[in-house]
Amino acid sequence: DTEVTQTPKHLVMGMTNKKSLKCEQHMGHRAMYWYKQKAKKPPELMFVYSYEKLSINESVPSRFSPECPNSSLLNLHLHALQPEDSALYLCASSQDLRGGRNEQFFGPGTRLTVL
Amino acid sequence: QQQVKQSPQSLIVQKGGISIINCAYENTAFDYFPWYQQFPGKGPALLIAIRPDVSEKKEGRFTISFNKSAKQFSLHIMDSQPGDSATYFCAATSGNTPLVFGKGTRLSVIA
Repeated sequence: DTEVTQTPKHLVMGMTNKKSLKCEQHMGHRAMYWYKQKAKKPPELMFVYSYEKLSINESVPSRFSPECPNSSLLNLHLHALQPEDSALYLCASSQDLRGGRNEQFFGPGTRLTVL
Repeated sequence: QQQVKQSPQSLIVQKGGISIINCAYENTAFDYFPWYQQFPGKGPALLIAIRPDVSEKKEGRFTISFNKSAKQFSLHIMDSQPGDSATYFCAATSGNTPLVFGKGTRLSVIA
């Protein structure tokens, strides 16, 4: 299984809502990533987890809260988002962070719209 | 120094032609250079990747050429097909640093 899955595919939420995005992989990868991608732009790194511990937080606002319950799952909890947070949210995984083992595989993304 | 510069921004190629996308980097510590293909509304898919110990890597119609001294690498798509129409991102990384992406190239292959 070489797949990263993400749910939901689409999400529409109001600025006062709380919602969560879910990512799952069963490749035995120990590094997992959240990216945000705006239209016609490259993916922008948000968070990196390595062996279930938060390794990198790219100064993301606190209204985004990541969680890694186990080595296969990665969640992104959303609260009090702004319309400018509307984007495609991508999850990725790699064997780990070390050179030679950091080939990243992306999921299909969750298209988030904040009203 | 962390940037990867990608060109062109957009590219139109006739069916059967060769598509060429170029990337340049400054950080000599980069040691892994992947290319991603992304269709609208989908996640990026790893297409092909190269490490600096080789100058060329070929997988089917896709070839990466790597010039270490010039700090440049390029993607060649031979016999381009309409189904290749997508956005292509080059990227680079070293050790345990995050991927640095180029800004992307929108490829349109017309019949």
